[in-house]
Amino acid sequence: EAGVAQSPRYKIIEKRQSVAFWCNPISGHATLYWYQQILGQGPKLLIQFQNNGVVDDSQLPKDRFSAERLKGVDSTLKIQPAKLEDSAVYLCASSFGGAGNIQYFGAGTRLSVL
Amino acid sequence: AQKVTQAQTEISVVEKEDVTLDCVYETRDTTYYLFWYKQPPSGELVFLIRRNSFDEQNEISGRYSWNFQKSTSSFNFTITASQVVDSAVYFCALSDNSGNTPLVFGKGTRLSVIA
Repeated sequence: EAGVAQSPRYKIIEKRQSVAFWCNPISGHATLYWYQQILGQGPKLLIQFQNNGVVDDSQLPKDRFSAERLKGVDSTLKIQPAKLEDSAVYLCASSFGGAGNIQYFGAGTRLSVL
Repeated sequence: AQKVTQAQTEISVVEKEDVTLDCVYETRDTTYYLFWYKQPPSGELVFLIRRNSFDEQNEISGRYSWNFQKSTSSFNFTITASQVVDSAVYFCALSDNSGNTPLVFGKGTRLSVIA
């Protein structure tokens, strides 16, 4: 079974530029999560989708971050404009949903903002 | 609010030693789930184990074992006879019973196993 796919693996941009990350979840997984992992920290949720609807985006800096999950499958996370403090690994995870569901993670995108 | 504390930032052991990673959690929920994930240098978080709050039976799986104690709000993880391939960052995580909540992670413990 294919895992969660993310691209690109690495991205280096200048501050104030824009960037987009892509995620393809495990087939059949209704719930998709984007987490931000700053160096030396555990992942923190940015946004959670159930099918193509947003369940929780309370931690998403909406002035610069946006995300969508068209057709309830693939998802894109965008940052515009990027700041230095956005340097982090952006992890996508998916699950079937439900209480105590196991989340399966992609390899992440490592973003460096210079 | 939910919180997970992993007090050990880094641990180094010599190959074949046993090592225990500590995890203490806080939650007001009576039903919740606890997880351990492994993050090797490749970056992908790999699921290791899940426990619900009603199942305090400790488990052994190969070289891995877990000790869940509700009385002390702890969910510790032990690797027996450690190997170099065990070197990674290990995260403890918590979620509630609503079914639509994300994982709350600790800061992780970096384990280095030296040959």
